[in-house]
This record gives sequence, structure tokens and C-alpha cells, in this order.
Amino acid sequence: AQKVTQAQTEISVVEKEDVTLDCVYETRDTTYYLFWYKQPPSGELVFLIRRNSFDEQNEISGRYSWNFQKSTSSFNFTITASQVVDSAVYFCALIFMNTGFQKLVFGTGTRLLVSP
Amino acid sequence: NAGVTQTPKFRVLKTGQSMTLLCAQDMNHEYMYWYRQDPGMGLRLIHYSVGEGTTAKGEVPDGYNVSRLKKQNFLLGLESAAPSQTSVYFCASSDGDWNTGELFFGEGSRLTVL
Repeated sequence: AQKVTQAQTEISVVEKEDVTLDCVYETRDTTYYLFWYKQPPSGELVFLIRRNSFDEQNEISGRYSWNFQKSTSSFNFTITASQVVDSAVYFCALIFMNTGFQKLVFGTGTRLLVSP
Repeated sequence: NAGVTQTPKFRVLKTGQSMTLLCAQDMNHEYMYWYRQDPGMGLRLIHYSVGEGTTAKGEVPDGYNVSRLKKQNFLLGLESAAPSQTSVYFCASSDGDWNTGELFFGEGSRLTVL
């Protein structure tokens, strides 16, 4: 089965705390891409990052960082010094390249609530 | 540059009524998708298209039909709406180059079936 699991349904933190959102995936494909999208309360889906299966380098973008580990099939997302504006639903997604048409499969999302 | 545009943004239907959601993209993308978003279930793929004149079923296609008569447009139809189709619908498009590209989403269409 090819699937994406975000076990954390909702996380609540206080501003300035660090928070990690977990993403675990299953695939038999050797080539795939992982994504994170943010859905703020306004409802649109905002692209955050893309990572391919051959690049296990971690990435940092400002307060955001991503940890990709093929050995554990995980692609976790950390927000450092969280802010109220980080409150949103975050989706991890996976696209499989070896098995026919490429379609993005999403996890169920993690709702992050950052309080002042 | 408008990106991906969905119309209408909101619609209320009675059970049994029909309607069509229109998705238009101005990025010359080959691939287009329709997803539905329900609480606790993430985004689930309804139908997709790999190019003008083509359509294919996704994870949850029952009760929906689609058409891609023009490359820039992808229509999602409900022939006989049911309360279970109450959802937020997202259209997306992509050029298929995942090394540099992404899935571009519309703003969503909220449909309520009474």
C-alpha cells in the first residue's frame, strides 16, 4: 500500500515554543517526491517544500526545517519559535513515480494551534 | 496571473439537483485534478486528467463526472447531488515536472447538499 500517515490530529503550543509535525509514508517505489502544504484558516493551500527520494539532506528555511529519513520513511517538519500566524492545518503529501500516473496522495493533516 | 480559478466559490443544493464546478488554469499545465476535503480525511482525489480530452478515476469517483474539452478547463459534475457530497472541493494543476514544480491549487469551492 502507498499511503501517508500524519498521526497527530491536533497540536497546541504557546507562542515561541518549537513544534514538530510528523509524517510517515509507505511506498515500494524507489523514486518519489514528498511535499508539505499549509492550509491557513482562510482555506487556501500553500506549498511549503518539495523533497525527492534521492536527496536526504535536511533543509532549513527561516524558522522552518525539514528532516527526511528514508530509513524510517519519515519526513518531519519543525517550526522553531512558533508564532500565532503559524496556526494552520499542515498536510504532508507523497507522489509516486514508478507506478503509472503521478498523483499526489495526502495525509489527513495536522492542525496546529499557536496561542499567544 | 490568475493561476487556478474555481467557480462557484459557494453553492447550496438540494438532494437530487445537479451542478457543475468549473476549474480554469492559465499556466498551460497538462495535468489537472479534483480533490475533496472532509474533516479528518485530508484531501482525496476524485478524478484527474493527463491532458486535453482525457480523464481518469481517482480514489473516490462515485457520483461525479468530469470533462476536459479544453486544456485550460476541467469540469466536475454532480448529476444527482447527495448529502454525502457536502464538502470543500479543490481543483489543482501541474506541469508534471516534480523536480521543480508543485501542485497549484484553486481557492476551493464549498458545496452544501441539503
